[in-house]
Amino acid sequence: EAQVTQNPRYLITVTGKKLTVTCSQNMNHEYMSWYRQDPGLGLRQIYYSMNVEVTDKGDVPEGYKVSRKEKRNFPLILESPSPNQTSLYFCASSPRLAGGPGGELFFGEGSRLTVL
Amino acid sequence: TQLLEQSPQFLSIQEGENLTVYCNSSSVFSSLQWYRQEPGEGPVLLVTVVTGGEVKKLKRLTFQFGDARKDSSLHITAAQPGDTGLYLCAGRRRTSYGKLTFGQGTILTVHP
Repeated sequence: EAQVTQNPRYLITVTGKKLTVTCSQNMNHEYMSWYRQDPGLGLRQIYYSMNVEVTDKGDVPEGYKVSRKEKRNFPLILESPSPNQTSLYFCASSPRLAGGPGGELFFGEGSRLTVL
Repeated sequence: TQLLEQSPQFLSIQEGENLTVYCNSSSVFSSLQWYRQEPGEGPVLLVTVVTGGEVKKLKRLTFQFGDARKDSSLHITAAQPGDTGLYLCAGRRRTSYGKLTFGQGTILTVHP
């Protein structure tokens, strides 16, 4: 089954404790991206990657890191989480550049992160 | 301020009514998408529009891309409870290759 898999789905952590949210897709997609979703703000893009070893900042990259060493994986790293990073996080992939023709985003089920 | 402003943010209607959701910006987009999200799930693509003035229909849903490619609308005819969900517009600007910007969303509730 074609899918985007995120782990963990739920996480409660404390300020400053490094964490990684993994994301894996089995559709051989070139493009991958991370979003955070907060009430009233919709989805805000954190980072995106158009291919292996190619990553770039989205609209809210502060406090996050990513890497794209393999085509299928795109982990999101919070080196020193803070309470303002409490949010619902979504990983997504697309066969082409997201947003255009053929650029449908396929989303994971989300990871709800709470930073105390 | 949001690059893409959606209105209304909340919509509560009765089954059978018609509704329109708007997605507006001062920026020009090369393409625009609409997604629908249900609780506990990720958004799912409904449509992509790329040409100014383009109109696309998906059963009871009609999508329009503004002539100037700065705005879009989603019209639902004879809404049903199954249409309940969060509707999100997302746009890609020519000047921001790779970035996809979402509006803040419209929460639609259709009562039986």
